[in-house]
Amino acid sequence: AQSVTQPDIHITVSEGASLELRCNYSYGATPYLFWYVQSPGQGLQLLLKYFSGDTLVQGIKGFEAEFKRSQSSFNLRKPSVHWSDAAEYFCAVGAREYGNKLVFGAGTILRVKS
Amino acid sequence: EPEVTQTPSHQVTQMGQEVILRCVPISNHLYFYWYRQILGQKVEFLVSFYNNEISEKSEIFDDQFSVERPDGSNFTLKIRSTKLEDSAMYFCASTELEEYGYTFGSGTRLTVV
Repeated sequence: AQSVTQPDIHITVSEGASLELRCNYSYGATPYLFWYVQSPGQGLQLLLKYFSGDTLVQGIKGFEAEFKRSQSSFNLRKPSVHWSDAAEYFCAVGAREYGNKLVFGAGTILRVKS
Repeated sequence: EPEVTQTPSHQVTQMGQEVILRCVPISNHLYFYWYRQILGQKVEFLVSFYNNEISEKSEIFDDQFSVERPDGSNFTLKIRSTKLEDSAMYFCASTELEEYGYTFGSGTRLTVV
């Protein structure tokens, strides 16, 4: 079965510090991958996506992610975190072979301390 | 930037009542989805809709659930007889092509009492 694992439920970083949120997936097909961010009471905003091509993808708000097929990972990074980045981050995976529905990870709550 | 609009933002209903959650997808999008997120749990796929019919549905999407695109702009999720366990945030999403990414609405928080 398809699955997405975000091993860190909570992460706390200092403002200005670098950030890496982990995402691992288990899929029987060539996946396409997404990172979404959700602020409290809000919807899911797309940060970035990988479908094919360059495995390092740039997104909005200064985020980037790297697809590593050998490690089945798609980790999200940001070199310098801002207080406004505090939110919950979801990794999601889909594949045409599985009808294009997205399977989401459990989410990582990011806290930023000043 | 185009948005997916969901109404209402909050809905409280009594167990056994019917509810209809409404979504207006982005106008040139072709694929439509409903997902839900029970408090503290993962976002879960419910149903996908393309070319005026359901293309896939999950085990959650039983006979109590239905979807409709009544007028070419709205996309609705109906729950015929709500249960306590239907309490969740329901998200509508749409996309032009899957690889472009899915645009999600802000969600409807459904509380069944």
